[in-house]
Amino acid sequence: DAGVIQSPRHEVTEMGQEVTLRCKPISGHDYLFWYRQTMMRGLELLIYFNNNVPIDDSGMPEDRFSAKMPNASFSTLKIQPSEPRDSAVYFCASSFITYEQYFGPGTRLTVT
Amino acid sequence: GENVEQHPSTLSVQEGDSAVIKCTYSDSASNYFPWYKQELGKRPQLIIDIRSNVGEKKDQRIAVTLNKTAKHFSLHITETQPEDSAVYFCAASIRDDKIIFGKGTRLHILP
Repeated sequence: DAGVIQSPRHEVTEMGQEVTLRCKPISGHDYLFWYRQTMMRGLELLIYFNNNVPIDDSGMPEDRFSAKMPNASFSTLKIQPSEPRDSAVYFCASSFITYEQYFGPGTRLTVT
Repeated sequence: GENVEQHPSTLSVQEGDSAVIKCTYSDSASNYFPWYKQELGKRPQLIIDIRSNVGEKKDQRIAVTLNKTAKHFSLHITETQPEDSAVYFCAASIRDDKIIFGKGTRLHILP
């Protein structure tokens, strides 16, 4: 198995632009998690899905952030419009029933 | 709300010595406690975990202990090696499918 796949690996964009991050979970996993990592705030859970259904989005910082999971093998995290304070590494993770989460390589987002 | 406290934030130990990282959690219903290792520029990787029905678990040079009464758990690394240098995160489950992470401990192994 290739593990959790994320794209792009790096994204540099200007303030106000729309950013879309993509994730492909491990085949057969029924949970998908989106995290944001910064030096100041550590690893924060933004939202997670079970069987493609959003379960808890209380970590989504504001309405500029949205996430979808149209099928079991694909999810997106969208920021519109982006701001410099959104600069961070965004990780996607997946798991099967239990808590054992496997992380993707992350997307390093820089908003100028 | 629920939270996980992790100490110390930075730890330096001489190669060959032991390292201990400690965490406390607030939710008495927590029953799963994983530890992740993150090397510079890489993803967090699960290195060991423990469930509430055991008090200790060991895997080669790493071990975790859990004290449910006191709501704290620890990671022990023995005979440290240069490749152990990384950031370590503890985490605790707060419901059936969600975990929250501590802020991390940056471990430096000194030659």
